[in-house]
Amino acid sequence: AQTVTQSQPEMSVQEAETVTLSCTYDTSESDYYLFWYKQPPSRQMILVIRQEAYKQQNATENRFSVNFQKAAKSFSLKISDSQLGDAAMYFCAYRVPNTGTASKLTFGTGTRLQVTL
Amino acid sequence: DGGITQSPKYLFRKEGQNVTLSCEQNLNHDAMYWYRQDPGQGLRLIYYSQIVNDFQKGDIAEGYSVSREKKESFPLTVTSAQKNPTAFYLCASSPRDGPGETQYFGPGTRLLVL
Repeated sequence: AQTVTQSQPEMSVQEAETVTLSCTYDTSESDYYLFWYKQPPSRQMILVIRQEAYKQQNATENRFSVNFQKAAKSFSLKISDSQLGDAAMYFCAYRVPNTGTASKLTFGTGTRLQVTL
Repeated sequence: DGGITQSPKYLFRKEGQNVTLSCEQNLNHDAMYWYRQDPGQGLRLIYYSQIVNDFQKGDIAEGYSVSREKKESFPLTVTSAQKNPTAFYLCASSPRDGPGETQYFGPGTRLLVL
């Protein structure tokens, strides 16, 4: 079974600083997708960034970038120039191609990010 | 505006009662999903539907039922068989049920047991 582990229940960063959220996963698949979702206090899940496992280049979206280490099964999220609006729960998620059973997102338990002045 | 709506925002269930959570999308997406979120845990898949008139069980389908009679609607019924229904329920949709497809989420429904 695939599992996703986020070992940091809470993180804190000062405004304008950089923070890295860690995520590791366990899989025997070679082809899969990885995602970071943000859940602000409104509780609506918002996609931050996605990575395709067969692409070696790390994905970036403005201030958000990932460090994807396939051999180590690691997928960390770096937030640069942190802003107050970045405060939220961040979930790492993993998905494999449909094999006839549920092609589902498997989520980690989340990291709560606080942004301080 | 295109998006996913869920209603109600809060729902209270009495013991032995079935309740239905609404999920509607106007994104013309084929695939729809229901997740449950408990404190300290990630989201867990209850049911999903790849296309109209078709749906499959997820990891925690016991005590829940769904229907997909219309493309835009995917209601979730929490039956009396679900012994611990208190949770936050999120509905999502994607253009297709593909592994690289982005899932777009609704605002959620919080279900509480009286």
